[in-house]
Amino acid sequence: ETGVTQSPTHLIKTRGQQVTLRCSSQSGHNTVSWYQQALGQGPQFIFQYYREEENGRGNFPPRFSGLQFPNYSSELNVNALELDDSALYLCASSLDGEPQPQHFGDGTRLSIL
Amino acid sequence: QKEVEQNSGPLSVPEGAIASLNCTYSDRVSQSFFWYRQYSGKSPELIMSIYSNGDKEDGRFTAQLNKASQYVSLLIRDSQPSDSATYLCAVDSNYQLIWGAGTKLIIKP
Repeated sequence: ETGVTQSPTHLIKTRGQQVTLRCSSQSGHNTVSWYQQALGQGPQFIFQYYREEENGRGNFPPRFSGLQFPNYSSELNVNALELDDSALYLCASSLDGEPQPQHFGDGTRLSIL
Repeated sequence: QKEVEQNSGPLSVPEGAIASLNCTYSDRVSQSFFWYRQYSGKSPELIMSIYSNGDKEDGRFTAQLNKASQYVSLLIRDSQPSDSATYLCAVDSNYQLIWGAGTKLIIKP
C-alpha cells in the first residue's frame, strides 16, 4: 500500500512569487485535505478536495487555490507569497469526503524570504 | 469560531509513569475526536480515534471522551522516552478537522 507522498520536501521562495505543492494520496483514498502548520501551532485547515471538487474551505484568502486530478492526486497553489506563508504544508488523504481518519504525508517546508 | 484548547506544556513525566494529556473543544455537535503524535520536523501520526463517550484502549494508550463536558483526554501508560513528542488533539467540525496547538510531552529517563 502506497502512503501519502508530497513534493518538494523543502522550498525557498521570495515575497510576491507563486508556488505549487503536490500531493499523491494514499492508495484507495479519494479525498485530499491541505493544512498549513506554522511553528509551534497546530495545523490549520486550508481546503479539502473530494472527487475533484472543493469540499470545504478554511479561513484562507483566494490566493490559496487547489486542484484535484482524476487519480486523486492534488496540488496546492499559493500566489503573491507573503512572509507569513512560511510554514509546513501538510497533505492528508481519507475516504469519501469524511475528515477522518487522515493519513499525512511528510509535508513541504516552505520558507519565504 | 470553533476552538480546540490544549495545555502547551511542556509536560514532564518520569519514564514508566502515566502521562495524561487533556483537550477541550467548543463545538457541541462534534462527533469524531483524534489524537495525533508529532515528532519535531515530522508530520502528525494518528494514534487514537474515539467517537463514543467513555474509554477506548489500544496498547499503552487510552483515549477518554466526555461529550457533556466537551472534554477528551489521552493517557499513556508505562511512558517511554520514545513517547517524547508533541501530542495534537483534533476534532471534527462541519466536515473539517479543528486542531489544538498541541502539548509537548517530555519523558525523563
